[in-house]
Amino acid sequence: DVKVTQSSRYLVKRTGEKVFLECVQDMDHENMFWYRQDPGLGLRLIYFSYDVKMKEKGDIPEGYSVSREKKERFSLILESASTNQTSMYLCASSPSTGGGEAFFGQGTRLTVV
Amino acid sequence: RKEVEQDPGPFNVPEGATVAFNCTYSNSASQSFFWYRQDCRKEPKLLMSVYSSGNEDGRFTAQLNRASQYISLLIRDSKLSDSATYLCVVTLDSWGKLQFGAGTQVVVTP
Repeated sequence: DVKVTQSSRYLVKRTGEKVFLECVQDMDHENMFWYRQDPGLGLRLIYFSYDVKMKEKGDIPEGYSVSREKKERFSLILESASTNQTSMYLCASSPSTGGGEAFFGQGTRLTVV
Repeated sequence: RKEVEQDPGPFNVPEGATVAFNCTYSNSASQSFFWYRQDCRKEPKLLMSVYSSGNEDGRFTAQLNRASQYISLLIRDSKLSDSATYLCVVTLDSWGKLQFGAGTQVVVTP
């Protein structure tokens, strides 16, 4: 069974903290993605990576950075958490051929207080 | 303007009825098209790909109109279990970077 695993389901952090969200996939996929999902706005792409150490900004990269040192792991970093980063964060992976099915993790509900 | 736009609904559908809804996309160079389904408090999952000639998967039919830049989803003989949010998804490049619509909520009632 294919798996994308996010390190936490729920997280509460204080304003100004550095936050790490981890995502691991076991499908040997080249592509990995970080989205945030907010009511009425749908899923918005933060960053994606198409290979180890390769990354591209998505639509809303401000305040975030990413790291992909190994193929199976894609980390999202909030450099200094702010209340407007309270959201549901979803990690996904897909094979490199365009149009491949994306598989999502279960999501991390982050609350910044 | 959003890359992918959907009517948020909700579409309230009696069990057994047919429901259809569209999604428009702004980039004419869009390459691949999908419908994903998201249940409440769950992650999105692929429902079906959308092919140029249109395609069917059981009670679900998807159509693509490149000239008018929209895709559609039709659900026949709706079941209570079809209640969900349906996400329109478009890829804009060969890397498979996915752009999501905000979703259309469907509520099937007994």
